[in-house]
Amino acid sequence: GAVVSQHPSWVICKSGTSVKIECRSLDFQATTMFWYRQFPKQSLMLMATSNEGSKATYEQGVEKDKFLINHASLTLSTLTVTSAHPEDSSFYICSAKQDTRVEAFFGQGTRLTVV
Amino acid sequence: QKEVEQDPGPLSVPEGAIVSLNCTYSNSAFQYFMWYRQYSRKGPELLMYTYSSGNKEDGRFTAQVDKSSKYISLFIRDSQPSDSATYLCAMRMGGGSNYKLTFGKGTLLTVNP
Repeated sequence: GAVVSQHPSWVICKSGTSVKIECRSLDFQATTMFWYRQFPKQSLMLMATSNEGSKATYEQGVEKDKFLINHASLTLSTLTVTSAHPEDSSFYICSAKQDTRVEAFFGQGTRLTVV
Repeated sequence: QKEVEQDPGPLSVPEGAIVSLNCTYSNSAFQYFMWYRQYSRKGPELLMYTYSSGNKEDGRFTAQVDKSSKYISLFIRDSQPSDSATYLCAMRMGGGSNYKLTFGKGTLLTVNP
């Protein structure tokens, strides 16, 4: 149990285009989902927290108009990187948490490369 | 001072060795302590979590929390090459709206056959 699926696992896009990343909890209802960014040999940096049906809460320094997060259902959250630029290239990881559980479970991550 | 400090390593051990991974933290409000394993280019995988001081064992893994020293450890017994990965400690305060994991930088472990 507690499987989180993230798609795609990697994507290459042109500068100026938008990219959508999906995060699904396959066998539980995720009341809260989190989006992280990870640079090489660095730890996970929390970008935003979203609760189902509510607006996401962004961490300081994260542009909410650039990183659009939608958590429309208890099993799906999406992160859209709008007008992507090479500096947005990174490893993006989602995690999901069920209300009744302490732990959060992570997706496989998405490697975004903007060229 | 960072909230969570973790030696990034790298740490290299022979197969069968006992591995000790550690983190220190500064925020006494942290209540839950977790260890994740992350293979290269993959998402973190939860190994175990503990609440309050003490030990918790799961197979070859033992997690230890010393709240008085603000120090947590993960021990791996009989280490295997498949244990080679980056190990991340993470901790959080209470639940609800305060749920937010704070991660260490991760320790890169290599177990040599």
